[in-house]
Amino acid sequence: NAGVTQTPKFQVLKTGQSMTLQCAQDMNHNSMYWYRQDPGMGLRLIYYSASEGTTDKGEVPNGYNVSRLNKREFSLRLESAAPSQTSVYFCASSPPALGPGANVLTFGAGSRLTVL
Amino acid sequence: QKEVEQNSGPLSVPEGAIASLNCTYSDRVSQSFFWYRQYSGKSPELIMSIYSNGDKEDGRFTAQLNKASQYVSLLIRDSQPSDSATYLCAVPTSGTYKYIFGTGTRLKVLA
Repeated sequence: NAGVTQTPKFQVLKTGQSMTLQCAQDMNHNSMYWYRQDPGMGLRLIYYSASEGTTDKGEVPNGYNVSRLNKREFSLRLESAAPSQTSVYFCASSPPALGPGANVLTFGAGSRLTVL
Repeated sequence: QKEVEQNSGPLSVPEGAIASLNCTYSDRVSQSFFWYRQYSGKSPELIMSIYSNGDKEDGRFTAQLNKASQYVSLLIRDSQPSDSATYLCAVPTSGTYKYIFGTGTRLKVLA
């Protein structure tokens, strides 16, 4: 049982380049999330998907797009990377709001992105 | 304005002591509260969840919730060097799936 898998683990981009962070979960969770973590800022929500077919903006969505490809996969795309997007990105998933483990987030290992 | 506040620390305690970590939140109707532990360079992992006023104990960890004061805390008894990590308070915004995290408190347990 892999849990939440993110790829790539490390990436270096030049300003203006694009890339997609991939995330997949095998726990049959409904909800998926993308967070970024910067020193002194904690975890900030970029986008989330409450269920397959829906996506919503979080605290810091500017410069990002997401796709909930199916129930398992939720990708994050940077169309034109900027140095301000240098961060560690975490994907997470959670089961429905009712039932065992309700609302508990399971995180992927993280993706460290550097934009030069 | 951040909706979940934590003291960034570091909070240093000697081995064997009780570590007390605090969190305040602004959403008065929040119903569930979570503590995550994050080791340096790793991803957060759930330590405790609490939904009702009062205390909830799990081994060496006790979560305390006071909804009237909008305050949740985490006590770690018999602190060990392996407890040295950043502790994140998380509060789902009521009626949504948006989790808001505090900036975390860095705990250092001194051997």
